[in-house]
Amino acid sequence: DTAVSQTPKYLVTQMGNDKSIKCEQNLGHDTMYWYKQDSKKFLKIMFSYNNKELIINETVPNRFSPKSPDKAHLNLHINSLELGDSAVYFCASSQSGGTTEAFFGQGTRLTVV
Amino acid sequence: GDSVTQMEGPVTLSEEAFLTINCTYTATGYPSLFWYVQYPGEGLQLLLKATKADDKGSNKGFEATYRKETTSFHLEKGSVQVSDSAVYFCALRVNSGGSNYKLTFGKGTLLTVNP
Repeated sequence: DTAVSQTPKYLVTQMGNDKSIKCEQNLGHDTMYWYKQDSKKFLKIMFSYNNKELIINETVPNRFSPKSPDKAHLNLHINSLELGDSAVYFCASSQSGGTTEAFFGQGTRLTVV
Repeated sequence: GDSVTQMEGPVTLSEEAFLTINCTYTATGYPSLFWYVQYPGEGLQLLLKATKADDKGSNKGFEATYRKETTSFHLEKGSVQVSDSAVYFCALRVNSGGSNYKLTFGKGTLLTVNP
């Protein structure tokens, strides 16, 4: 039973399109995240939601809009895709509290052509 | 701000060699420390963690000790296997206020183990 699942696993799309990535966790966690991993494997946090409220919004273009309909879901919508958006996007979840680890999904490899 | 610095890769070792991947951190509060591993084509998995000074995290033969005095959390394994080939990430998590717990990663170290 997958703890953090995201769909799709691969996404190839043209510049200018709008796309969404979905994420669901069945761990009962109250916090969910989106991370971007670039081609050099560097991981950067994009957003964090706690109990459906936006907590962290790093310097991310406003073309990226997260939506959390409930504690178990955090979706990422991207408008007007650009070549530089090509990356692997990871969803993660954790329980609030400094000692608990985050659990990651398998990633969505987005390629913008 | 909070940051994690880990040794640059790639690291290439022969099977059964000793592994050390250095990790140091700066944090505004009292962080919990983690090592994550990413196998090719997969997501990140927690390898081990330590939540307070002098704690030692261990898993699958890997170990790391939380050293507050040197702000370090170096990863070690006495005898690596080919199956350990992966990217290893050091990370810290600290409360930035309220329910804001940000997990900050180092840049990752690619380990390749040859038979």
